[in-house]
Amino acid sequence: AQSVTQPDIHITVSEGASLELRCNYSYGATPYLFWYVQSPGQGLQLLLKYFSGDTLVQGIKGFEAEFKRSQSSFNLRKPSVHWSDAAEYFCAVGVFGNEKLTFGTGTRLTIIP
Amino acid sequence: SQTIHQWPATLVQPVGSPLSLECTVEGTSNPNLYWYRQAAGRGLQLLFYSVGIGQISSEVPQNLSASRPQDRQFILSSKKLLLSDSGFYLCAWSVTQSNAGELFFGEGSRLTVL
Repeated sequence: AQSVTQPDIHITVSEGASLELRCNYSYGATPYLFWYVQSPGQGLQLLLKYFSGDTLVQGIKGFEAEFKRSQSSFNLRKPSVHWSDAAEYFCAVGVFGNEKLTFGTGTRLTIIP
Repeated sequence: SQTIHQWPATLVQPVGSPLSLECTVEGTSNPNLYWYRQAAGRGLQLLFYSVGIGQISSEVPQNLSASRPQDRQFILSSKKLLLSDSGFYLCAWSVTQSNAGELFFGEGSRLTVL
């Protein structure tokens, strides 16, 4: 069965600084990979997804993620964070033929002025 | 375009009372439907999913049940709530047989059991 790990529970970043959120997965083949964002009290919104092809994926709100097969990682990046980026971020993995996603435990992002 | 709605958005219920959370999807047919629970400070736990009317798969044994009386309607229920049922409940849908599992989430329903 697939699994996904987000090693950072909470990250604090200054506004304008760069951001990288880590995500590692475990699966024998190439999975489908997702990043979702959740603002307090809200549902989850898809930021970006990787199915195949170019390993650098661009998403909404200026986010990008890179799939690295050798490291089993799909880290989320943003060159310059804004106060509105403060939220909970979830990495998720899906596999071919299985219609259920497996979610990581999330990383809470705090932005300081 | 497709939309998904959950209600009620907020619910405060006493222990032992019944529960009904409803989720409706618009703009698509025969979606896969999911109920997740998010406890405070924790990740998402898949509770139930459905690939068609009357077809419910339970992921964890618990005090809750789910039903799908219509193609685009998914209901989460309990006959008697426990304190541990408190949490944020999220409904989601995906395209049937997409083989990718991309989910689209509702706004969530916050349940507090007192």
